[in-house]
Amino acid sequence: AQTVTQSQPEMSVQEAETVTLSCTYDTSENNYYLFWYKQPPSRQMILVIRQEAYKQQNATENRFSVNFQKAAKSFSLKISDSQLGDTAMYFCAFMKHDNAGNMLTFGGGTRLMVKP
Amino acid sequence: KAGVTQTPRYLIKTRGQQVTLSCSPISGHRSVSWYQQTPGQGLQFLFEYFSETQRNKGNFPGRFSGRQFSNSRSEMNVSTLELGDSALYLCASSHYRGLGETQYFGPGTRLLVL
Repeated sequence: AQTVTQSQPEMSVQEAETVTLSCTYDTSENNYYLFWYKQPPSRQMILVIRQEAYKQQNATENRFSVNFQKAAKSFSLKISDSQLGDTAMYFCAFMKHDNAGNMLTFGGGTRLMVKP
Repeated sequence: KAGVTQTPRYLIKTRGQQVTLSCSPISGHRSVSWYQQTPGQGLQFLFEYFSETQRNKGNFPGRFSGRQFSNSRSEMNVSTLELGDSALYLCASSHYRGLGETQYFGPGTRLLVL
């Protein structure tokens, strides 16, 4: 079974600054996918970024980028130029690479507050 | 393209009752997954349906069940509700099952059991 750990329950950052959210996972799989989802107060879960484990290049999506360290089983999210709209819960999630299904295993989440 | 829709958005039930929640996936998506979100247990996978067949099931009691229709719409049912079933129930859809398909989530149904 896979486990995902987010060690920072809460974080805050000043608007326009950079913040990094941590995520570690435990798995015996070699091929898998990692995701960061954002859940604002509206509770709608929104995909932020996705990483394929077989790709060495770190994924980026505008102001969002990841630092994927496969050997260390670490998958951190960096948010640059933080905006007030980035205030939300952030969840790290793991998915196996197989045909058994689309099950996501989530971490416990990090609550991010962007301060003006 | 319309996103994932869930109905109803809010629901209040009493212990012992049953409830049915509905999820309409993004057009063209054939896989629907359900998750339960609570403050204590976080986000937990309930089950996944693909082409009207349950492909995966999480560690939940048999009171939790679901189904998928030929148009990919899905329903989940919880019978004999317990106070601990109070949660946000999230539905997610994707094109196919497996191989890392990105899941797109609906707004959720908030269930309160009194």
